Amino acid sequence: IQLTQSPSFLSSSVGDRVTITCRASQDTNNYLAWYQQKPGKAPKLLIYVASTLQGGVPSRFSGSGSGTEFTLTISSLQPEDFATYFCQQLIAYPYTFGQGTTLEIK
Amino acid sequence: EVQVVQSGAEVKKPGESLRISCQSSGYDFSDYWIAWVRQMPGKGLEWMGMVYPGDSDTRYNPSFQGQVTLSVDKSVNSAYLQWSSLKASDTAIYYCARQSFGSDSFDYWGQGTLVTVSS
Repeated sequence: IQLTQSPSFLSSSVGDRVTITCRASQDTNNYLAWYQQKPGKAPKLLIYVASTLQGGVPSRFSGSGSGTEFTLTISSLQPEDFATYFCQQLIAYPYTFGQGTTLEIK
Repeated sequence: EVQVVQSGAEVKKPGESLRISCQSSGYDFSDYWIAWVRQMPGKGLEWMGMVYPGDSDTRYNPSFQGQVTLSVDKSVNSAYLQWSSLKASDTAIYYCARQSFGSDSFDYWGQGTLVTVSS
């Protein structure tokens, strides 16, 4: 299953609302996760089964969508949110990741 | 507290063998799949495969099948990723991660092991 994220790069300001889209080539039955990765660090799980917030993740992060189209929304960007975000499908082997969306400070 | 700790950085020559490790604590190691993920320099994430410590069952990404071997040692709560003959193209950061129940997402990650293969 191929995952295509858009955009690949996003330049935004603190306080902005941003949305990242992940499109799958096949239905994932909502087995879709979102991860945040900062430079030099391991990825961190943010959202699982498309819309469930992982414990400890701020509520400004939310996930939505179903089937083949999913979104990650950050309601009000904070300085610590500037990072790269990946979606991942877990419905079929081989598990695959989107190519990533890098969120940069404007 | 769940912790996943990987072995340190390695520098190897092409053709050499290597095994890196991933040690877990804070939960029943036997009950959760451990996945391995590759990140080549400046690139995205690739799922390599996973191993189930309970019975050493494995799943491989076809892109990595035959290129690496996944194993576990339950006695020391550790999973391993092994190469028999490294190539320069194996240069990357390798992460291990625990797969959660139900959602199957990767909820706890190791800090990553940088493997550099250079003559």
